[in-house]
Amino acid sequence: NAGVTQTPKFQVLKTGQSMTLQCAQDMNHEYMSWYRQDPGMGLRLIHYSVGAGITDQGEVPNGYNVSRSTTEDFPLRLLSAAPSQTSVYFCASSRRQGTSGSRGFYEQYFGPGTRLTVT
Amino acid sequence: AQSVSQHNHHVILSEAASLELGCNYSYGGTVNLFWYVQYPGQHLQLLLKYFSGDPLVKGIKGFEAEFIKSKFSFNLRKPSVQWSDTAEYFCAVNARRTGANNLFFGTGTRLTVIP
Repeated sequence: NAGVTQTPKFQVLKTGQSMTLQCAQDMNHEYMSWYRQDPGMGLRLIHYSVGAGITDQGEVPNGYNVSRSTTEDFPLRLLSAAPSQTSVYFCASSRRQGTSGSRGFYEQYFGPGTRLTVT
Repeated sequence: AQSVSQHNHHVILSEAASLELGCNYSYGGTVNLFWYVQYPGQHLQLLLKYFSGDPLVKGIKGFEAEFIKSKFSFNLRKPSVQWSDTAEYFCAVNARRTGANNLFFGTGTRLTVIP
C-alpha cells in the first residue's frame, strides 16, 4: 500500500489564484481530513469527511472547500489564495472501528505534506 | 472545546539522558490520546496511542506514555534518548464518541539530542 499520498509537495501561488491540493489513500479508510501546520500553532483541522459524499468543517475552514466523491480521494481547494494561507498542509485518514456507524475510528495516518507559499 | 497543552517548547538533551515531555488536555468526556513524531522534513508518524485499558502505553522506539485521568495528562517518556530521536513531538486528543475523529493537537515540543 502507498498509504496516504499528497500532491504537489511544493507550490507557490500569487494572491487571488486558486488551486487544488490532492490527497489520496489506498487503505479504504472512511475518515479523511485536512490539517494545516503553522509554526508555534501545531496542526489545526480545516475540513474532514467520514465517508464518500459527507464533509464537514473543522476548526479553520474559511477560504477552503472540499468534496468527497470517492472513498479514496479528498481534494482541498483554495478558492482565492491569501498570504495567510501560507502553511504546510497535511492530509490524514483513518478507518472505522467495526462495520456499523456506532463505532469510532482508529488512529490517523498522515501524508507527506504540501508546502504552500502565497505571495 | 478541547485543547491540548504542551508546556515544553524546546528541550535539549545529551544522548543517554532520560526524557519526559508533558501533555495536558482539557475535555470533560472520554478521550483517545496520541503522541505523534515529526522527524526533520518528514510527515507525522504515530509513536503511541491510548484508547482504553492499561494507562501505561508502550510505543515504538522505546517510548512510553502514561495516561493519568485525574490530572488530564498523557506525558511521554523515554529512559535513554538517542541522537536519532531529534524531532518534533506532538500530543493529540480526540473525543471518544461516534461519528467524529477530529484531532486536537498541542503546539509541539522540539527535541534536540546532542551526541
